[in-house]
Amino acid sequence: GDSVTQMEGPVTLSEEAFLTINCTYTATGYPSLFWYVQYPGEGLQLLLKATKADDKGSNKGFEATYRKETTSFHLEKGSVQVSDSAVYFCALSDRRSGSARQLTFGSGTQLTVLP
Amino acid sequence: GAGVSQSPSNKVTEKGKDVELRCDPISGHTALYWYRQSLGQGLEFLIYFQGNSAPDKSGLPSDRFSAERTGGSVSTLTIQRTQQEDSAVYLCASSLGSGGRSGNTIYFGEGSWLTVV
Repeated sequence: GDSVTQMEGPVTLSEEAFLTINCTYTATGYPSLFWYVQYPGEGLQLLLKATKADDKGSNKGFEATYRKETTSFHLEKGSVQVSDSAVYFCALSDRRSGSARQLTFGSGTQLTVLP
Repeated sequence: GAGVSQSPSNKVTEKGKDVELRCDPISGHTALYWYRQSLGQGLEFLIYFQGNSAPDKSGLPSDRFSAERTGGSVSTLTIQRTQQEDSAVYLCASSLGSGGRSGNTIYFGEGSWLTVV
């Protein structure tokens, strides 16, 4: 079945540091890939998405490139801010398999950015 | 409303009691999802509603869990005879059409935090 494997946290960085959160996936079909973010006390928000191979999703300075050859969708940001502290979830939705109706999530990565 | 609305935001209940969690999706969204997020875990799919189609209940963990969606809008998730392992955040989400198949964005509510004591 479909699965998402995410870099384990927690991750602690200083402000303006470079961020990478690794995400790899297993899917039987042609998935769309997503990063969701959950700020403290808030619901999940879509951060970015990519729907086909080689697409790059970007938002708020974050980027992720859909790499079919390595089945990866790593999240990156060149210079993190304290306000980026949150839990980040990688997810996929497979248009061919039974999971097309819903998302398969990774376990989440807690990011803390220190001033 | 502007976003997915869930109530109650927090619920503490005694083991063995029944609880109902409510979700009001974004107006016009035909797809509605329930997920569960346990402490330190990822999100677990529970159930999916799409229009008038039969719901996808494949994620419900036991027959103590049920959900309905009245009039294609508001949904209620019911947990009967709650157990301590039911303690989690229950997240509702909605999207235009099928989020996965069409690439429509799935929008989440802030969740209902359930604690079973």
